[in-house]
Amino acid sequence: LAKTTQPISMDSYEGQEVNITCSHNNIATNDYITWYQQFPSQGPRFIIQGYKTKVTNEVASLFIPADRKSSTLSLPRVSLSDTAVYYCLVGEGTGANNLFFGTGTRLTVIP
Amino acid sequence: KAGVTQTPRYLIKTRGQQVTLSCSPISGHRSVSWYQQTPGQGLQFLFEYFSETQRNKGNFPGRFSGRQFSNSRSEMNVSTLELGDSALYLCASSPGTIVSTDTQYFGPGTRLTVL
Repeated sequence: LAKTTQPISMDSYEGQEVNITCSHNNIATNDYITWYQQFPSQGPRFIIQGYKTKVTNEVASLFIPADRKSSTLSLPRVSLSDTAVYYCLVGEGTGANNLFFGTGTRLTVIP
Repeated sequence: KAGVTQTPRYLIKTRGQQVTLSCSPISGHRSVSWYQQTPGQGLQFLFEYFSETQRNKGNFPGRFSGRQFSNSRSEMNVSTLELGDSALYLCASSPGTIVSTDTQYFGPGTRLTVL
Protein backbone atom coordinates (compact mmCIF):
# COMPACT_ATOMS: atom_id res chain seq x y z
CA LEU A 1 0.00 0.00 0.00
CA ALA A 2 1.53 3.28 -1.04
CA LYS A 3 2.11 5.92 1.56
CA THR A 4 2.91 9.54 1.33
CA THR A 5 4.89 11.01 4.18
CA GLN A 6 5.56 14.57 5.19
CA PRO A 7 7.14 16.26 8.21
CA ILE A 8 4.55 16.67 10.96
CA SER A 9 5.29 20.32 11.63
CA MET A 10 7.49 23.24 10.70
CA ASP A 11 8.03 26.70 12.10
CA SER A 12 9.17 29.68 10.09
CA TYR A 13 9.58 33.40 10.59
CA GLU A 14 7.65 35.84 8.49
CA GLY A 15 9.37 36.72 5.25
CA GLN A 16 11.33 33.48 4.99
CA GLU A 17 11.06 30.86 2.26
CA VAL A 18 9.56 27.54 3.40
CA ASN A 19 10.13 24.18 1.72
CA ILE A 20 7.88 21.23 2.57
CA THR A 21 8.75 17.80 1.18
CA CYS A 22 6.43 14.88 0.49
CA SER A 23 7.68 11.35 -0.16
CA HIS A 24 5.58 9.13 -2.46
CA ASN A 25 7.46 5.99 -3.41
CA ASN A 26 4.71 4.28 -5.41
CA ILE A 27 3.37 7.11 -7.51
CA ALA A 28 1.67 5.89 -10.69
CA THR A 29 3.07 6.78 -14.08
CA ASN A 30 0.21 9.03 -15.08
CA ASP A 31 -0.43 10.66 -11.72
CA TYR A 32 0.04 14.28 -10.93
CA ILE A 33 1.16 15.62 -7.58
CA THR A 34 -1.11 18.18 -6.02
CA TRP A 35 -0.68 20.27 -2.90
CA TYR A 36 -3.47 21.63 -0.78
CA GLN A 37 -3.70 24.09 2.10
CA GLN A 38 -6.17 23.67 4.93
CA PHE A 39 -7.22 26.15 7.58
CA PRO A 40 -9.16 25.06 10.69
CA SER A 41 -12.83 24.26 10.07
CA GLN A 42 -12.42 24.56 6.30
CA GLY A 43 -11.94 22.13 3.45
CA PRO A 44 -8.53 21.93 1.74
CA ARG A 45 -7.78 24.52 -0.89
CA PHE A 46 -5.73 23.90 -4.05
CA ILE A 47 -2.27 25.45 -4.14
CA ILE A 48 -0.35 23.93 -7.03
CA GLN A 49 -0.09 20.84 -9.21
CA GLY A 50 2.70 19.31 -11.27
CA TYR A 51 3.90 16.18 -13.04
CA LYS A 52 7.67 16.61 -13.22
CA THR A 53 10.46 19.17 -12.95
CA LYS A 54 9.30 22.56 -11.73
CA VAL A 55 6.00 24.39 -11.71
CA THR A 56 5.45 27.92 -10.46
CA ASN A 57 2.32 29.96 -9.92
CA GLU A 58 1.56 33.20 -8.14
CA VAL A 59 1.67 31.66 -4.66
CA ALA A 60 4.12 28.74 -4.73
CA SER A 61 6.60 26.59 -6.61
CA LEU A 62 6.66 22.83 -6.88
CA PHE A 63 9.86 20.88 -7.46
CA ILE A 64 9.68 17.26 -8.61
CA PRO A 65 12.84 15.22 -9.26
CA ALA A 66 13.20 12.93 -12.24
CA ASP A 67 12.26 9.78 -10.32
CA ARG A 68 9.11 11.51 -9.00
CA LYS A 69 9.38 9.69 -5.69
CA SER A 70 9.17 12.96 -3.82
CA SER A 71 8.08 16.54 -4.30
CA THR A 72 8.84 19.82 -2.56
CA LEU A 73 6.40 22.66 -2.10
CA SER A 74 8.16 26.00 -1.83
CA LEU A 75 6.38 29.01 -0.32
CA PRO A 76 8.29 32.25 -0.85
CA ARG A 77 8.29 34.92 1.85
CA VAL A 78 5.63 33.45 4.11
CA SER A 79 3.27 35.62 6.12
CA LEU A 80 1.20 34.94 9.23
CA SER A 81 -1.78 34.06 7.04
CA ASP A 82 0.16 31.10 5.64
CA THR A 83 -0.15 29.33 9.00
CA ALA A 84 -2.09 26.20 8.02
CA VAL A 85 -1.75 22.49 7.35
CA TYR A 86 -0.31 21.56 3.96
CA TYR A 87 -1.11 18.25 2.26
CA CYS A 88 0.26 16.53 -0.80
CA LEU A 89 -2.03 14.28 -2.80
CA VAL A 90 -1.05 11.57 -5.27
CA GLY A 91 -2.73 8.57 -6.80
CA GLU A 92 -1.60 5.05 -5.87
CA GLY A 93 -0.80 1.98 -7.87
CA THR A 94 -1.46 1.14 -11.49
CA GLY A 95 -5.09 2.09 -11.13
CA ALA A 96 -3.98 5.59 -10.32
CA ASN A 97 -7.26 6.42 -8.71
CA ASN A 98 -6.97 5.30 -5.14
CA LEU A 99 -5.97 8.58 -3.68
CA PHE A 100 -3.72 9.16 -0.71
CA PHE A 101 -3.21 12.39 1.06
CA GLY A 102 0.04 12.93 2.87
CA THR A 103 0.02 13.05 6.62
CA GLY A 104 -0.01 16.81 6.47
CA THR A 105 2.53 19.37 7.63
CA ARG A 106 1.44 21.97 10.14
CA LEU A 107 3.24 25.19 9.26
CA THR A 108 3.38 27.88 11.91
CA VAL A 109 4.59 31.28 10.83
CA ILE A 110 6.10 33.31 13.65
CA PRO A 111 6.09 37.11 13.64
CA LYS B 1 -19.84 30.59 -9.29
CA ALA B 2 -21.02 29.08 -6.04
CA GLY B 3 -18.61 26.72 -4.34
CA VAL B 4 -19.18 23.21 -3.12
CA THR B 5 -21.88 23.08 -0.48
CA GLN B 6 -22.41 20.39 2.11
CA THR B 7 -25.37 19.82 4.37
CA PRO B 8 -25.74 19.58 7.22
CA ARG B 9 -22.63 21.28 8.61
CA TYR B 10 -22.92 19.58 11.99
CA LEU B 11 -24.60 16.37 13.05
CA ILE B 12 -24.84 14.41 16.27
CA LYS B 13 -25.94 10.79 16.19
CA THR B 14 -25.84 7.81 18.52
CA ARG B 15 -24.23 4.44 17.94
CA GLY B 16 -26.23 2.15 15.72
CA GLN B 17 -28.04 4.91 13.88
CA GLN B 18 -27.52 5.76 10.26
CA VAL B 19 -26.76 9.08 8.66
CA THR B 20 -26.97 10.66 5.21
CA LEU B 21 -24.77 13.55 4.17
CA SER B 22 -25.34 15.68 1.11
CA CYS B 23 -23.01 17.45 -1.29
CA SER B 24 -23.77 19.86 -4.12
CA PRO B 25 -20.80 20.28 -6.47
CA ILE B 26 -19.78 23.36 -8.37
CA SER B 27 -22.04 23.87 -11.37
CA GLY B 28 -20.69 21.96 -14.35
CA HIS B 29 -18.53 19.60 -12.31
CA ARG B 30 -19.41 15.96 -12.82
CA SER B 31 -16.89 14.30 -10.51
CA VAL B 32 -17.54 14.18 -6.80
CA SER B 33 -15.25 12.61 -4.22
CA TRP B 34 -15.73 12.03 -0.52
CA TYR B 35 -13.09 12.03 2.21
CA GLN B 36 -13.04 11.31 5.91
CA GLN B 37 -10.79 13.41 8.10
CA THR B 38 -9.88 12.44 11.66
CA PRO B 39 -7.06 13.58 13.93
CA GLY B 40 -5.64 10.06 14.06
CA GLN B 41 -5.91 8.94 10.44
CA GLY B 42 -5.80 12.26 8.62
CA LEU B 43 -7.54 12.62 5.28
CA GLN B 44 -8.69 9.33 3.80
CA PHE B 45 -10.36 8.78 0.45
CA LEU B 46 -13.82 7.23 0.66
CA PHE B 47 -15.15 7.09 -2.88
CA GLU B 48 -15.45 8.94 -6.14
CA TYR B 49 -18.44 9.32 -8.41
CA PHE B 50 -18.64 10.39 -12.01
CA SER B 51 -21.83 10.57 -14.05
CA GLU B 52 -23.80 8.67 -11.41
CA THR B 53 -21.27 5.81 -11.31
CA GLN B 54 -18.94 4.95 -8.48
CA ARG B 55 -15.53 4.79 -10.11
CA ASN B 56 -13.29 4.26 -7.13
CA LYS B 57 -13.63 3.26 -3.52
CA GLY B 58 -11.22 3.62 -0.65
CA ASN B 59 -10.56 1.08 2.05
CA PHE B 60 -13.70 1.50 4.12
CA PRO B 61 -16.26 -1.08 5.24
CA GLY B 62 -19.51 -1.63 3.42
CA ARG B 63 -21.35 0.48 6.00
CA PHE B 64 -20.13 3.43 3.99
CA SER B 65 -21.96 3.94 0.74
CA GLY B 66 -22.86 6.72 -1.58
CA ARG B 67 -24.56 7.70 -4.76
CA GLN B 68 -24.66 10.45 -7.30
CA PHE B 69 -27.71 11.87 -8.97
CA SER B 70 -28.19 13.01 -12.55
CA ASN B 71 -27.61 16.64 -11.50
CA SER B 72 -24.22 15.58 -10.04
CA ARG B 73 -25.34 16.11 -6.47
CA SER B 74 -24.09 13.34 -4.23
CA GLU B 75 -25.01 11.73 -0.97
CA MET B 76 -23.09 9.45 1.29
CA ASN B 77 -24.62 7.16 3.85
CA VAL B 78 -23.15 5.53 6.90
CA SER B 79 -25.18 2.78 8.50
CA THR B 80 -24.84 1.29 11.97
CA LEU B 81 -22.74 4.16 13.22
CA GLU B 82 -19.74 3.47 15.44
CA LEU B 83 -17.91 5.84 17.75
CA GLY B 84 -14.94 5.74 15.37
CA ASP B 85 -17.06 7.23 12.60
CA SER B 86 -16.89 10.61 14.30
CA ALA B 87 -15.06 12.75 11.80
CA LEU B 88 -15.17 15.63 9.39
CA TYR B 89 -16.59 14.38 6.10
CA LEU B 90 -15.41 16.37 3.14
CA CYS B 91 -16.83 16.46 -0.35
CA ALA B 92 -14.86 17.68 -3.34
CA SER B 93 -15.87 18.27 -6.92
CA SER B 94 -13.67 18.47 -9.98
CA PRO B 95 -14.34 19.48 -13.56
CA GLY B 96 -12.56 16.70 -15.38
CA THR B 97 -12.81 12.97 -15.58
CA ILE B 98 -9.69 11.81 -13.75
CA VAL B 99 -9.73 12.98 -10.17
CA SER B 100 -6.07 12.22 -9.52
CA THR B 101 -4.96 14.76 -12.13
CA ASP B 102 -7.68 17.34 -11.60
CA THR B 103 -7.93 20.23 -9.21
CA GLN B 104 -10.45 19.35 -6.55
CA TYR B 105 -12.62 21.99 -4.94
CA PHE B 106 -13.58 21.10 -1.42
CA GLY B 107 -16.65 21.98 0.56
CA PRO B 108 -16.51 23.07 4.22
CA GLY B 109 -17.35 19.57 5.42
CA THR B 110 -19.91 17.97 7.69
CA ARG B 111 -18.78 17.43 11.27
CA LEU B 112 -20.32 14.15 12.46
CA THR B 113 -20.22 13.27 16.13
CA VAL B 114 -21.28 9.79 17.21
CA LEU B 115 -22.18 9.40 20.89
